[in-house]
Amino acid sequence: AQTVTQSQPEMSVQEAETVTLSCTYDTSENNYYLFWYKQPPSRQMILVIRQEAYKQQNATENRFSVNFQKAAKSFSLKISDSQLGDTAMYFCARTPLLGGSQGNLIFGKGTKLSVKP
Amino acid sequence: EAQVTQNPRYLITVTGKKLTVTCSQNMNHEYMSWYRQDPGLGLRQIYYSMNVEVTDKGDVPEGYKVSRKEKRNFPLILESPSPNQTSLYFCASRDRGRETQYFGPGTRLLVL
Repeated sequence: AQTVTQSQPEMSVQEAETVTLSCTYDTSENNYYLFWYKQPPSRQMILVIRQEAYKQQNATENRFSVNFQKAAKSFSLKISDSQLGDTAMYFCARTPLLGGSQGNLIFGKGTKLSVKP
Repeated sequence: EAQVTQNPRYLITVTGKKLTVTCSQNMNHEYMSWYRQDPGLGLRQIYYSMNVEVTDKGDVPEGYKVSRKEKRNFPLILESPSPNQTSLYFCASRDRGRETQYFGPGTRLLVL
């Protein structure tokens, strides 16, 4: 079974500090894509960052970066200089190679992040 | 503005009363999907479509129907809604050859 596991249901961090959200996954494929989505209280799903499995270099987007460990099937999200607007539910997701399951995103159950002033 | 739209955003209905949630995208994307989000379960795919008149089941298709008569539209149909279909529903689309999916704003459905 293809699964994505987020082991931290809830986390909190002080404003301006750094926090890391964990994600592990199962796959038998060699090429795939990984994503972190943010869901604020508005419920909108917002793409935070994506990583292509065949790329060694970890993706970064401003204050957001990932630590992608392909052999360990681990894909953690680091948020630096946390801001109050980062308070949200964060979902890790993966998709297999295009043409496999037609791009079905497989989601973890989410981590609820609270940034405290 | 490139976007995926869903209507209605909120809906309260009763068991057995047929309803349709519309989804439309203006990005000329070939692939469209429906997901449902439930507490503690994340998002799960209901149906997807690879192109006009091509649809297939996702992980949780029971109780749902879809159609894809036009490229931009992908409505979700609940013929006889039941309380276990109370959920938050998302439509998403992506382009061929692109992995990133774009989500609509969500539709919150309550079935009494």
